[in-house]
Amino acid sequence: GQNIDQPTEMTATEGAIVQINCTYQTSGFNGLFWYQQHAGEAPTFLSYNVLDGLEEKGRFSSFLSRSKGYSYLLLKELQMKDSASYLCAVIDSGYALNFGKGTSLLVTP
Amino acid sequence: IAGITQAPTSQILAAGRRMTLRCTQDMRHNAMYWYRQDLGLGLRLIHYSNTAGTTGKGEVPDGYSVSRANTDDFPLTLASAVPSQTSVYFCASSGSEQPDTQYFGPGTRLTVL
Repeated sequence: GQNIDQPTEMTATEGAIVQINCTYQTSGFNGLFWYQQHAGEAPTFLSYNVLDGLEEKGRFSSFLSRSKGYSYLLLKELQMKDSASYLCAVIDSGYALNFGKGTSLLVTP
Repeated sequence: IAGITQAPTSQILAAGRRMTLRCTQDMRHNAMYWYRQDLGLGLRLIHYSNTAGTTGKGEVPDGYSVSRANTDDFPLTLASAVPSQTSVYFCASSGSEQPDTQYFGPGTRLTVL
């Protein structure tokens, strides 16, 4: 089975940087995804990591360490619209995503 | 417009009734999935299909069935709804290369009374 852990809630200030951590224990590993989900909406894809290191995409970056079973999502220059839930998900040896419970991020003025 | 559609958007259902949630994608994706999302539990996989004609069970399949007669459609059926099936249901699809990014439909909010 899978065990995927991430903080339940975080708060950060507009314009700041926030790092959302995700740790996982899996029987296999074929990649880690980060999704963003605004309240009442569907999850939308942010990033995918399968190799160790940092993937940068605009204001968002995602890091992976397979040996440590660890990933983080880094959000820079926070905007109010970044208030959302951020979901960490791992694919083991199968096809389906195994999701963590999500981190609810509140960006304050 | 390419994407995934789900119907209905929301539904209130009496316990014991049969209900089918519809999901259609026009991206020619081979794989499709059904998840339920509950507060405090996150997204959990109900059933999946890697290609037309095949289906598999996910983490929480009991009380649900699926079929995949063609590439585009992946309906989810609750044969006899129970209150614990009150949830938001998301359909997703992904391309032929695995692992591949999954794209989600807008969801169906189901309430079973």
